[in-house]
Amino acid sequence: GQNIDQPTEMTATEGAIVQINCTYQTSGFNGLFWYQQHAGEAPTFLSYNVLDGLEEKGRFSSFLSRSKGYSYLLLKELQMKDSASYLCAVYSWGKFQFGAGTQVVVTP
Amino acid sequence: DTEVTQTPKHLVMGMTNKKSLKCEQHMGHRAMYWYKQKAKKPPELMFVYSYEKLSINESVPSRFSPECPNSSLLNLHLHALQPEDSALYLCASSQSTQETQYFGPGTRLLVL
Repeated sequence: GQNIDQPTEMTATEGAIVQINCTYQTSGFNGLFWYQQHAGEAPTFLSYNVLDGLEEKGRFSSFLSRSKGYSYLLLKELQMKDSASYLCAVYSWGKFQFGAGTQVVVTP
Repeated sequence: DTEVTQTPKHLVMGMTNKKSLKCEQHMGHRAMYWYKQKAKKPPELMFVYSYEKLSINESVPSRFSPECPNSSLLNLHLHALQPEDSALYLCASSQSTQETQYFGPGTRLLVL
């Protein structure tokens, strides 16, 4: 089975940086994905790591350490529109399992 | 183009009704998925189709019946649902089962 943990909620100010951590315990790990989901909408893909290290995509970066079972998503220069739930998903044994999601609240 | 479309957007049905949810993608993806999502919870995998064949059924009750008529279409047939089945039903597709999944907008289902 898999166990995926991420914080329930984080609050940050517009223009700041927020780091969302995700820890996982799984057998057969084949990749870790980050999705953004606004309330009432579908998840949208943000970033993907299969090897250790940092992947950067504009204001969003994601890091993976397979030996530690740990990933983080870094959101820089926060904007109000970044207020959403951020889902960590682990791919193993042919399917994704999603963490419970971290609700990020961006304040003016 | 990373668009997955789903119809209808909203559906209200009684417990004795039969209805179908539809999903379509034209990205040439060979894997398609159905997820169920309750409010403030993550998506829960229901079914995986790979190359038009059902590869994973996450012990979903038989009142949910998936169908993959061709590589672009995925249906979910609903019959004799319960009020607790009310949720957002998400379809997703990917090039293969280990690649990035792209989600449709979902069908919001209410069972009365």
